[in-house]
Amino acid sequence: EDKVVQSPLSLVVHEGDTVTLNCSYEVTNFRSLLWYKQEKKAPTFLFMLTSSGIEKKSGRLSSILDKKELFSILNITATQTGDSAVYLCAVVGSNYKLTFGKGTLLTVNP
Amino acid sequence: NAGVTQTPKFQVLKTGQSMTLQCAQDMNHNSMYWYRQDPGMGLRLIYYSASEGTTDKGEVPNGYNVSRLNKREFSLRLESAAPSQTSVYFCASSPGQAGTYEQYFGPGTRLTVT
Repeated sequence: EDKVVQSPLSLVVHEGDTVTLNCSYEVTNFRSLLWYKQEKKAPTFLFMLTSSGIEKKSGRLSSILDKKELFSILNITATQTGDSAVYLCAVVGSNYKLTFGKGTLLTVNP
Repeated sequence: NAGVTQTPKFQVLKTGQSMTLQCAQDMNHNSMYWYRQDPGMGLRLIYYSASEGTTDKGEVPNGYNVSRLNKREFSLRLESAAPSQTSVYFCASSPGQAGTYEQYFGPGTRLTVT
């Protein structure tokens, strides 16, 4: 059974801080790892990672995958209150289904 | 461009009642999915449809049925609702199989079963 563990489960920071969110996984025949941001409604897509060591960036957010050690990190630099959300990590294996972690609740205080 | 739409947004049912959650996408996507999200549990896949005319079970299919009515629409039916089915339900779609393409989510349906 595929498994995704995210840490920490929750995090409180001040505006301007840099945060690192972790995602470790066990999956049969890894295909990809995805990061989503969920505010009070539907998850919105951030990144899809398929290859080790290649950083994906979008503004202040970046993510990297380590397929040998079976984990990914999501970095957010110079955090803003608008970054407050639940960040979800999901993996896809041989069954072509997404398995989600429980998420990390990030709170950014002004 | 509406993306993925879901109806209703909210619903309250009594135990034993039935209902159908509707989902439609206007992005010409082949694959569609139903998830439920419970506090502290993340998103769990109920059923999915890799392409029009096919459906398959996900992680938590018991108590649910689905219909891929056409390429645009994928409905989720609760035949006899139970309090354990109180949850937020999300529909999603993607151009093709998960793992190659990202999934786009609808706004969700909050269901309460009393």
